[in-house]
Amino acid sequence: DAKTTQPPSMDCAEGRAANLPCNHSTISGNEYVYWYRQIHSQGPQYIIHGLKNNETNEMASLIITEDRKSSTLILPHATLRDTAVYYCIVRSNFGNEKLTFGTGTRLTIIP
Amino acid sequence: DAGVTQSPTHLIKTRGQQVTLRCSPKSGHDTVSWYQQALGQGPQFIFQYYEEEERQRGNFPDRFSGHQFPNYSSELNVNALLLGDSALYLCASSLVAEISGRNNEQFFGPGTRLTVL
Repeated sequence: DAKTTQPPSMDCAEGRAANLPCNHSTISGNEYVYWYRQIHSQGPQYIIHGLKNNETNEMASLIITEDRKSSTLILPHATLRDTAVYYCIVRSNFGNEKLTFGTGTRLTIIP
Repeated sequence: DAGVTQSPTHLIKTRGQQVTLRCSPKSGHDTVSWYQQALGQGPQFIFQYYEEEERQRGNFPDRFSGHQFPNYSSELNVNALLLGDSALYLCASSLVAEISGRNNEQFFGPGTRLTVL
């Protein structure tokens, strides 16, 4: 699996958009970009994933650059409950490949 | 619709003992993966079970073994416990990619916190 690089920590004001970057310059053509988050002492929670087109769901938006070497997870209106560690993972969707977690970005939402 | 459940929630063992952790997958899922998360680290993949067989394995010693039952539930067994085995053990379930297509994301349970003294 391709490796990802994320900033170790970020702060965001409550009510503002939180933009979490991820670099994955060695991503291969069949690998998707996945985002999970982990609130303290809970299991990781799936957020969103995409291949090359931008994706949006009820939780977030995922913007993938045209060359697919980086992406941004956007939480449009951050709340205190969005405080968590966010993991960016690249993964092939063939054969239920394992998730390879890095150290993620610790996002703190400031009241 | 029940999500992924794990038992027990907490467990304390001593070095050298053996432990069994249990996982019930999300309804409709047939694949179970186990992860170990040490304090301050991201989860590390241990192994994955599908059709009652181990399909993938991470870089963990043979002291870590598992089993999947016909109802898709799974157990993780760790023998000869070491202090370094203290961690949060996470179970994740999914539907095999050949059926789910591109939407075979993994859903995680709350984990079992194992402390080895």
